[in-house]
Amino acid sequence: SSELTQDPAVSVALGQTVRITCQGDSLRSYYASWYQQKPGQAPVLVIYGKNNRPSGIPDRFSGSSSGNTASLTITGAQAEDEADYYCNSRDSSGNHPFGGGTKLTVL
Amino acid sequence: QVTLRESGPALVKPTQTLTLTCTFSGFSLSTSGMCVSWIRQPPGKALEWLALIDWDDDKYYSTSLKTRLTISKDTSKNQVVLTMTNMDPVDTATYYCARTRLRYFDYWGQGTLVTVSS
Repeated sequence: SSELTQDPAVSVALGQTVRITCQGDSLRSYYASWYQQKPGQAPVLVIYGKNNRPSGIPDRFSGSSSGNTASLTITGAQAEDEADYYCNSRDSSGNHPFGGGTKLTVL
Repeated sequence: QVTLRESGPALVKPTQTLTLTCTFSGFSLSTSGMCVSWIRQPPGKALEWLALIDWDDDKYYSTSLKTRLTISKDTSKNQVVLTMTNMDPVDTATYYCARTRLRYFDYWGQGTLVTVSS
């Protein structure tokens, strides 16, 4: 299956740690990448590979994976982290499906 | 500096064919490992990957849309073109192109909104 499943919404108190998860069979073979999207803007890559951050992404963002689940963790969430987060991974057929997205609210 | 820009019609009629062009700079699609993808997002909905073309001219399509999609590249012009046939109102979305490397999308265009309506 090439489907990736995410929780629709997650909330976190300011300064606390939050984990956003992504489940799918393809994650047993391929790493997920994670994208942050704020309203009216194009998505931005925040995590790729085993746990890599592009230049300019704060180190409070980290990634991990176990079995069929990939996780994006924000340690010490900030108000500016409130956004939609999408996971993505390729599958054995060369498809690159996205998860359904998680809306993160910072309280 | 890597940039990508999508261009195409803002409005198409049902059953028409949509042609979108991604014009990029800052990298070459003839370089090993480089790819460009098309991704769309209906208003208020999730991202949906559509197609990918790589440096070797290999092409990959969304399983659910592959019969309607064609992706091609013009390396000399630094352009990637996506065509989607038989457009329907449900295809109304913002269409993005993105540089793709090692299975992740590291640079995105700003997107272009395409509305399908008669």
